[in-house]
Amino acid sequence: GAVVSQHPSWVICKSGTSVKIECRSLDFQATTMFWYRQFPKQSLMLMATSNEGSKATYEQGVEKDKFLINHASLTLSTLTVTSAHPEDSSFYICSAAIDGQETQYFGPGTRLLVL
Amino acid sequence: GQNIDQPTEMTATEGAIVQINCTYQTSGFNGLFWYQQHAGEAPTFLSYNVLDGLEEKGRFSSFLSRSKGYSYLLLKELQMKDSASYLCAVRESNYQLIWGAGTKLIIKP
Repeated sequence: GAVVSQHPSWVICKSGTSVKIECRSLDFQATTMFWYRQFPKQSLMLMATSNEGSKATYEQGVEKDKFLINHASLTLSTLTVTSAHPEDSSFYICSAAIDGQETQYFGPGTRLLVL
Repeated sequence: GQNIDQPTEMTATEGAIVQINCTYQTSGFNGLFWYQQHAGEAPTFLSYNVLDGLEEKGRFSSFLSRSKGYSYLLLKELQMKDSASYLCAVRESNYQLIWGAGTKLIIKP
């Protein structure tokens, strides 16, 4: 149990385009989902905390207008990278927490390459 | 301020035991997590400690001392597939996770 999926797993796009990444909890409901970014050989960096039915809470330094997060249901959160640039190329990982439980379960990640 | 320290890299031999330490200074404490991350993959959950002491789960054990701001992950009977990065993360009072930079563990035959 506690499986989190992400789609797509790989995306290559041109500079200036927008990319949407989906995060789904497959066998549980997640009131809260988290979005992380990881550059090569660096630690995970929390970008935002997404709560179902309300606005996401962004970490300092993360542009909310560039990284749009929508948590429309208890099983789906989306991250849209708007007007992507090469510096946005990274590994984007989502996680979800089962209501009332401690552990975050991670999706497999989405590798974004902006040309 | 917030700070989590763990060694950058460790090397161990197949079949041996290795201990990966993590020290932390955070705003409050609501639990400490260990995750394993293979290169190019997302992290997978290993253990969770919120009370002092040792939690054992198969070949992996995790220890916590809240008074010392210290935890370790103990891996026994090392296998080649254990080569990965091991991430320590602390949950603060506001339930946010603060991540360490990870320890890259290299297993040699």
